[in-house]
Amino acid sequence: AQSVAQPEDQVNVAEGNPLTVKCTYSVSGNPYLFWYVQYPNRGLQFLLKYITGDNLVKGSYGFEAEFNKSQTSFHLKKPSALVSDSALYFCAVRVGAGSYQLTFGKGTKLSVIP
Amino acid sequence: GAVVSQHPSWVICKSGTSVKIECRSLDFQATTMFWYRQFPKQSLMLMATSNEGSKATYEQGVEKDKFLINHASLTLSTLTVTSAHPEDSSFYICSATVGSPSYEQYFGPGTRLTVT
Repeated sequence: AQSVAQPEDQVNVAEGNPLTVKCTYSVSGNPYLFWYVQYPNRGLQFLLKYITGDNLVKGSYGFEAEFNKSQTSFHLKKPSALVSDSALYFCAVRVGAGSYQLTFGKGTKLSVIP
Repeated sequence: GAVVSQHPSWVICKSGTSVKIECRSLDFQATTMFWYRQFPKQSLMLMATSNEGSKATYEQGVEKDKFLINHASLTLSTLTVTSAHPEDSSFYICSATVGSPSYEQYFGPGTRLTVT
């Protein structure tokens, strides 16, 4: 069965510093991977996805993620963190071929300190 | 593009009453819609998958008679919480997908349900 792990419940980073939010996955077959962000009392916003192609995926708001097949990882990164990036981040993987269902990680709370 | 709305954004109801939550895809036709439940500081729990014109597929442990889902059109799905109880209080989020080849889901803003 497909699964996603976000090993950190919380990540703290100083404003202006690079940030990384970690995600590892377990799937059978080719992975379809996604990152979403959630602000308080709001739904999720799509940031980026990996389906095929370049391992480095660029997304919204300056975020990017690197797909690493050998390490089964899809870490979210940003070169310079903003206070407004503080939110809850979810990594997700498509459940299976032909399915639109996603399995979500437990989420990582990112706090950017001014 | 790909905007999903939910109505209402928050609702307070008395125990024993029913509440309907609407999920609409505003600028696209959604092949599939999903309903999630989210508890404070937790991840999303998939409740059911809904395809237009067919019965919803419920996840294990979700009471289909309590959480009624109707997917009347390619742009509208509704979740009705019947005979609500305080333990049904939660944040309910819907999402919609345009399908292949994108696969990403577009999420509504969520509905905060409080049952008193």
